[in-house]
Amino acid sequence: EPEVTQTPSHQVTQMGQEVILRCVPISNHLYFYWYRQILGQKVEFLVSFYNNEISEKSEIFDDQFSVERPDGSNFTLKIRSTKLEDSAMYFCASKGLYGQGGSNQPQHFGDGTRLSIL
Amino acid sequence: GESVGLHLPTLSVQEGDNSIINCAYSNSASDYFIWYKQESGKGPQFIIDIRSNMDKRQGQRVTVLLNKTVKHLSLQIAATQPGDSAVYFCAEKVMSTGNQFYFGTGTSLTVIP
Repeated sequence: EPEVTQTPSHQVTQMGQEVILRCVPISNHLYFYWYRQILGQKVEFLVSFYNNEISEKSEIFDDQFSVERPDGSNFTLKIRSTKLEDSAMYFCASKGLYGQGGSNQPQHFGDGTRLSIL
Repeated sequence: GESVGLHLPTLSVQEGDNSIINCAYSNSASDYFIWYKQESGKGPQFIIDIRSNMDKRQGQRVTVLLNKTVKHLSLQIAATQPGDSAVYFCAEKVMSTGNQFYFGTGTSLTVIP
């Protein structure tokens, strides 16, 4: 079964440094997402991306965050100047256009990148 | 913001018994719901979804029940197996207003062999 892959699995970075988290969504999917999960807390939506632009973003997704789909397969999340509170699991997800029952399909998640800010 | 919560943070069941995991949501406009399973070190894995025009949907060994009147969602797992041990999340969204899902905090299910 096709799956979403994320690299690296664990990223350790000094506070203030830039990080890029990488994702390869499922190949025929058109919608892409980033979520984060701080240890012991809920999964939180960051951003959705469709047709080469951001379609929705949450309050968390401020100016230090950006997303890019540089080619036909990768989807990246960049954090420009990391803070201690950015430490979390970051999940990428993708979704196809249509499924059984109509316009909604579930999002398929990768296994995440654990980001640790020192 | 939205509020999606789970009644019980932990649940232990004997192997072979049925499990019921509950979820309350606060946005009456939510019309699409998903249950995810998250094993340690893995991302959320889709289990089953339901739209608000249904009150029950069945999958393989799983059933989701939706009660819109009291804004309650449940996941029933039949004949629970050790491999079902994981954290289970419900997530909700309003289909017409965007892509943002709101997740609950999760219930940790432990299956006792």
